[in-house]
Amino acid sequence: DAGVIQSPRHEVTEMGQEVTLRCKPISGHDYLFWYRQTMMRGLELLIYFNNNVPIDDSGMPEDRFSAKMPNASFSTLKIQPSEPRDSAVYFCASSPSRGAHSGYNSPLHFGNGTRLTVT
Amino acid sequence: SQQGEEDPQALSIQEGENATMNCSYKTSINNLQWYRQNSGRGLVHLILIRSNEREKHSGRLRVTLDTSKKSSSLLITASRAADTASYFCAFTGGGNKLTFGTGTQLKVEL
Repeated sequence: DAGVIQSPRHEVTEMGQEVTLRCKPISGHDYLFWYRQTMMRGLELLIYFNNNVPIDDSGMPEDRFSAKMPNASFSTLKIQPSEPRDSAVYFCASSPSRGAHSGYNSPLHFGNGTRLTVT
Repeated sequence: SQQGEEDPQALSIQEGENATMNCSYKTSINNLQWYRQNSGRGLVHLILIRSNEREKHSGRLRVTLDTSKKSSSLLITASRAADTASYFCAFTGGGNKLTFGTGTQLKVEL
């Protein structure tokens, strides 16, 4: 099990440029989450997918952010155009199916993140 | 804010001592989890406690949950330098969204 794989590990770009972050979840996990981590706001959930379908994108800060999951083994988070305030570490996480009982939730498996710097 | 609050924000102890971190939250929860984050890495799941449980153990970790006080604590016994990391609580209410606390930075010195 290779774990959740994110690329690139570091991204430095200029304001106004398009940024695409990539994630490969653990095989067999059908939930995928995108989080953003900053010193000021901590860990924020941006969006999550179930079986490749976006379920809740209420955490996406603006229309400049978009996420896709074209298949079970790949997801992207795109920022267009990027701004300096988007600088953060972006994490992808996956988890297997939730149990049938209300309240059962599986632990998340995180990638090592992409550190984005927008100048 | 639905975010959990953790205290202390930072904790420095000597190797061999116990470390206790606390988490408070505001909503009703289904379960509460604890994660560890080493510098420059992703979060790693440590332990999950369900809302109908009061205490859970895993190796040197002990987690308690008091739903009446909306609080949880993580105890690491006989700490080691390798335990140096940030520790986060996380919880779910309705739905599948996992909300994270503000984190405690633990430093274990030799």
